[in-house]
Formats: sequence, C-alpha cells, structure tokens
Amino acid sequence: GAVVSQHPSRVICKSGTSVKIECRSLDFQATTMFWYRQFPKKSLMLMATSNEGSKATYEQGVEKDKFLINHASLTLSTLTVTSAHPEDSSFYICSADRDRGDTQYFGPGTRLTVL
Amino acid sequence: AQKITQTQPGMFVQEKEAVTLDCTYDTSDPSYGLFWYKQPSSGEMIFLIYQGSYDQQNATEGRYSLNFQKARKSANLVISASQLGDSAMYFCAMRVGGGGTASKLTFGTGTRLQVTL
Repeated sequence: GAVVSQHPSRVICKSGTSVKIECRSLDFQATTMFWYRQFPKKSLMLMATSNEGSKATYEQGVEKDKFLINHASLTLSTLTVTSAHPEDSSFYICSADRDRGDTQYFGPGTRLTVL
Repeated sequence: AQKITQTQPGMFVQEKEAVTLDCTYDTSDPSYGLFWYKQPSSGEMIFLIYQGSYDQQNATEGRYSLNFQKARKSANLVISASQLGDSAMYFCAMRVGGGGTASKLTFGTGTRLQVTL
C-alpha cells in the first residue's frame, strides 16, 4: 500500500526557535498534501492544504506566517513552525492523496514539544 | 458545511465479539466519500475502509465492514471477531467532491474502543 513518511517523529525545541517537519509520499506522487494538528484526546484539525508548485491554502484561524508550508516537489511537503512557543506543542500529522481520490494516506506524525 | 458526528466517546467489547461504531454525517453535496481510520497509541492514522456515496454495496475489508445507510446519513463501522490489537481510537471522516479530486477530510471526534478478554 501507499506509504507516507514524516520526519522527525519527535522534536523538542526551545521557545523562539523554528522547527521544520517533512512529509514525503514514498511510492506515489502527491500533488496535494494536508497538514493536521491534533491535541491530546482530540480529533484532527486541518491546518492547511499544501499544493505542489503553488501557495498553500490555510484554514481559518491558522497563521500562515507562523506555519510556513512549502510543497516543492510531487513527493515532499514541509511545515515549518516559526518562532515556536509552548502553545505550539502538539502532534502534527500530514496526509497525501493519491490521484484516485478514494484514499488519503497519513504519515506517522510528529510530536512537537516546545520548552 | 460538512459535519461528522460520533456519539460514542468510548466503547468496550469482549474479544472475539463484534462491535459497531456509530457515525452520522451531514452534507448537501450528492458526491462524497466516507472513511474510517484507526489511531493506536502510537499516533499513526491507519486507513481502514472507504465508502463512496454512489457505491451500491457496502464496503468490506477483511474484518471491517461499513454499514452505509444513505437515507439516514449514517456510516457505521462494524468490526467482527474483535482482537486485543483492535483497541485504539477510531475516527470517521468525510470528504466532499468527486473521485479524483483532492479535498480535505472532515473528522468526527472519535470513539475509543477497548477490547477486553
């Protein structure tokens, strides 16, 4: 089956630093990837839709200058949390669509802790 | 607007028994897809099963089946012969739009399933 990877799986950083999270589709090309955020014991909240070769589409309430998304190729999207603060600590998970549209595959997630 | 409702925050089932996890949805778009995902404690979202709004038959994947009742706007997940490894959080999700269109998923709040001996 399709595989989506994420790196790193865990990251701990100091407040004020920036953190980059990579999302890769390993065996298929993904023109669209999605970035979600999940708080403990909560559901997934879509942050933005990442489009290859164009600007990301952010959901209402998500700061685009804080959560920078780059989708430079058909297999890679990156999410950069800029000037991270403790309230940014969360589980970030990406997903990618195969062109068939009947399945969205998720990466294993990245647990971010900002001290 | 699309909405997914999972009314069972937690469920218990005995090993080898079947369990039904409820999911209702709301959309005015005639073309949509319904998904179920399993999220174990590791956090990974594992795709289980998909049902398209125009599919005539209920989807099945091994021990998972989707009880799709379009008129009632429900898409319940049935897990047969439960195993201890089925203990996890289960999310129902919906996308609106035709096949081949990459569109975002709307998730329900999830149901935590605990399989007991």
